[in-house]
Amino acid sequence: QVQLQESGPGLVKPSQTLSLTCTVSGGSMSSSGYFWAWIRQPAGKGLEWIGRIYRSGYTNYISSLESRAVISADTSKNQFSLTLKSVTAADTAVYYCGREVEADGRSLDSWGQGIVVTVSS
Amino acid sequence: DIQMTQSPPSVSASVGDTVTITCRASQGISTWLAWYQQKPGTAPKLLIYSASLLQTGVPSRFSGGGSGRDFTLTISSLQPEDFAVYYCQQTNSLPTFGQGTRLEIK
Repeated sequence: QVQLQESGPGLVKPSQTLSLTCTVSGGSMSSSGYFWAWIRQPAGKGLEWIGRIYRSGYTNYISSLESRAVISADTSKNQFSLTLKSVTAADTAVYYCGREVEADGRSLDSWGQGIVVTVSS
Repeated sequence: DIQMTQSPPSVSASVGDTVTITCRASQGISTWLAWYQQKPGTAPKLLIYSASLLQTGVPSRFSGGGSGRDFTLTISSLQPEDFAVYYCQQTNSLPTFGQGTRLEIK
């Protein structure tokens, strides 16, 4: 059973860069048929998909964050990362990493527990 | 972007009831739709993918249907552990989620 775990700072100052890492265990990121995604959820609100990366390094991003977000992967460490630059209070949220399964309609079958990120001076 | 509209925003029901939540896409998405359950303080859990296929380990009282623009999630014989927030997600293009439906105990 694959497991995912987010890590990174819980507090980021406005205008700075948010950097999070997701460590994958119980499975290889190099396996075909999976995408590795980031999703976020402001407190008390709904879910927002941020973007994904495939083992080839191919990425997609939601249009509203495309200019600020970068997702990268280090398959040798079985990790992928999210960098979000020029953050504001609106980026305060719980950030989840997840695995999308291509064969299952690209649904997110595995999620990390989430990490709370607050943007504040 | 494809917009997903869920209804109702919240619903109250009793243990043993049957509840149906609907999700409408702003354009046709075939069966590229998933449903998730989220309980407070935890990550969402996949229930249904490809509109009607039950994720392994999910009880059979959960069922999904629909195609094109209109989809349903039905929970039969509600159990105490089913009271949670439910989200639909389209995966036809860059994924988007519905705003959620809160299922509360009556």
